[in-house]
Amino acid sequence: QLQLQESGPGLVKPSETLSLTCTVSGGSISTTSYLWGWIRQPPGKGLEWIATIYYSGSTYYNPSLKSRVTISVDTSKNQFSLKLSSVTAADRAVYYCARQRGSGTWTFDYWGQGTLVTVSS
Amino acid sequence: QSALTQPPSVSGSPGQSVTISCTGTSSDVGSYNRVSWYQQPPGTVPKLLIYEVSNRPSGVPDRFSGSKSGNTASLTISGLQAEDESDYYCSSYASSSTLVFGGGTKLTVL
Repeated sequence: QLQLQESGPGLVKPSETLSLTCTVSGGSISTTSYLWGWIRQPPGKGLEWIATIYYSGSTYYNPSLKSRVTISVDTSKNQFSLKLSSVTAADRAVYYCARQRGSGTWTFDYWGQGTLVTVSS
Repeated sequence: QSALTQPPSVSGSPGQSVTISCTGTSSDVGSYNRVSWYQQPPGTVPKLLIYEVSNRPSGVPDRFSGSKSGNTASLTISGLQAEDESDYYCSSYASSSTLVFGGGTKLTVL
């Protein structure tokens, strides 16, 4: 059974960089059938797609966040990561990593449990 | 890239059918059959219900169905059950390899 688990600091200071890692177990990240993505959800609000990466390193970003976001993959560790720079209180959210079906479906079929990141000094 | 428009809330009685709309533009919903629907009960992780407008993953009851007309996609839940009370989100491919979500709809089972 595929599992995804987010990890990283739950508290980040304003203007600093948020860094999260998603560890994939029960399946290989190096597959041509899937991509891997990050989605966030501010408390009590809706979902927002952040970025997606293919195991080869091809990346896709939400235009509204692109200037601050970097997504990367480490196939040797079966992990992919997210960095969001210059965070503000508006970046407080539950951050989910998820598996995205390939073949252009742009749908997420497996999700991690999510991790709440708070921005505060 | 603007969020897709969903009604904030819908409601229905057990056994009835409800439909949740998801309105986009000709740049997303209207141009691509890449609409997905997710169910998120309070405090839980989103679960995939529908992909590519009308396809159900294995394990999703056929009470859940999806469709699309023009710039609007719809999720219909028939034979409403108490356990269907949840938040529902749509998403759509939006050209240039980007994805946009709807604002979410809270379904209340009366």
